[in-house]
Amino acid sequence: SQTIHQWPATLVQPVGSPLSLECTVEGTSNPNLYWYRQAAGRGLQLLFYSVGIGQISSEVPQNLSASRPQDRQFILSSKKLLLSDSGFYLCAWSVRGSGSPLHFGNGTRLTVT
Amino acid sequence: DQQVKQNSPSLSVQEGRISILNCDYTNSMFDYFLWYKKYPAEGPTFLISISSIKDKNEDGRFTVFLNKSAKHLSLHIVPSQPGDSAVYFCAASVEGAQKLVFGQGTRLTINP
Repeated sequence: SQTIHQWPATLVQPVGSPLSLECTVEGTSNPNLYWYRQAAGRGLQLLFYSVGIGQISSEVPQNLSASRPQDRQFILSSKKLLLSDSGFYLCAWSVRGSGSPLHFGNGTRLTVT
Repeated sequence: DQQVKQNSPSLSVQEGRISILNCDYTNSMFDYFLWYKKYPAEGPTFLISISSIKDKNEDGRFTVFLNKSAKHLSLHIVPSQPGDSAVYFCAASVEGAQKLVFGQGTRLTINP
């Protein structure tokens, strides 16, 4: 069966510090991979998605970036965090192709102080 | 531009009664709709979906209804149970697109 791992579960970082969140998927090949963010009191906002190694689509201009160095690995990064980057970050995967449900990891609670 | 809207931020229902969660969308190109359930500090879990060629899909206690002319879908949970207390998100996608657009979520509370 397929599983998705996302870490760390919680993170407290000072403003201006770098960020690296990692997500890996097991039990499937060539998945679509996604990073979403849920800000306090808001819905799920798509940040990045990837349909293959090295292929990244950005949905929202911001100081975050994403990379997909391997088929089942997706990394969310920032060089300098802002207070507004605080939120709940969720990685997800789906079977390649439209009309497939997304399967989410357990998320990372990021607090920028 | 919020293409998928859940206008009720919260809903409270008595245990055993029916819970009805609503969702509206503006993009007529959406052809696949999903509902997710989310507990605090966890990722959303997929509940049920419906294609635009159908108007109803049922899975146990969960039924999703789609009204394309009104650009409206709803999730019915019957009977409601305490474990159903969570935030529910509706989501939609366009054929050929590889991504989902989510609503803001509705917090459902089931009272004993």
